[in-house]
Amino acid sequence: KAGVTQTPRYLIKTRGQQVTLSCSPISGHRSVSWYQQTPGQGLQFLFEYFSETQRNKGNFPGRFSGRQFSNSRSEMNVSTLELGDSALYLCASSLSLAGKAYEQYFGPGTRLTVT
Amino acid sequence: TQLLEQSPQFLSIQEGENLTVYCNSSSVFSSLQWYRQEPGEGPVLLVTVVTGGEVKKLKRLTFQFGDARKDSSLHITAAQPGDTGLYLCAGAASGYSTLTFGKGTMLLVSP
Repeated sequence: KAGVTQTPRYLIKTRGQQVTLSCSPISGHRSVSWYQQTPGQGLQFLFEYFSETQRNKGNFPGRFSGRQFSNSRSEMNVSTLELGDSALYLCASSLSLAGKAYEQYFGPGTRLTVT
Repeated sequence: TQLLEQSPQFLSIQEGENLTVYCNSSSVFSSLQWYRQEPGEGPVLLVTVVTGGEVKKLKRLTFQFGDARKDSSLHITAAQPGDTGLYLCAGAASGYSTLTFGKGTMLLVSP
């Protein structure tokens, strides 16, 4: 099976701009989670989508949003970028069913740099 | 809120040495996973432990889940430079569909 893919791998944006990141999960996986990883904070959970619905949400401002399509592919959007949004954004897919966490399979990430 | 504390945060050793990293919490987890992440890549799942007291071996890596399912350890025997990376533990609490990650232990193995 093909693994989780993320595009683009690298991105440089300017403060105030917006960005859209894309994730294609492993075939058959209906759950897609997004994480932000920084050296200081580690892996922080952004949100999880399951069957096109946001099932869980982390503690991030409304500038961070996402969606999932009928083929389970997911996108996340960050509006009005700030310098502190510079991070590695990781997408992970799993077989997760309601109320039970399964192993996460991560993509290679998108390295976002905000200048 | 479930928290996972990993220690040490950073470990630098020579090839051939043994090491243990720890993952501790005050919360009970239904399962616990260990991942390894190399620079510029996403974390890769190493193992999942689900039973209190469970021990799993993956070549030179030994994983243990605490009897009370609140903590876990990873022991590496005769470390090699290829073991270099960030080791992350992640816990799944009963009734939750998301994982709680620790901040990780950065391991550097020098030849």
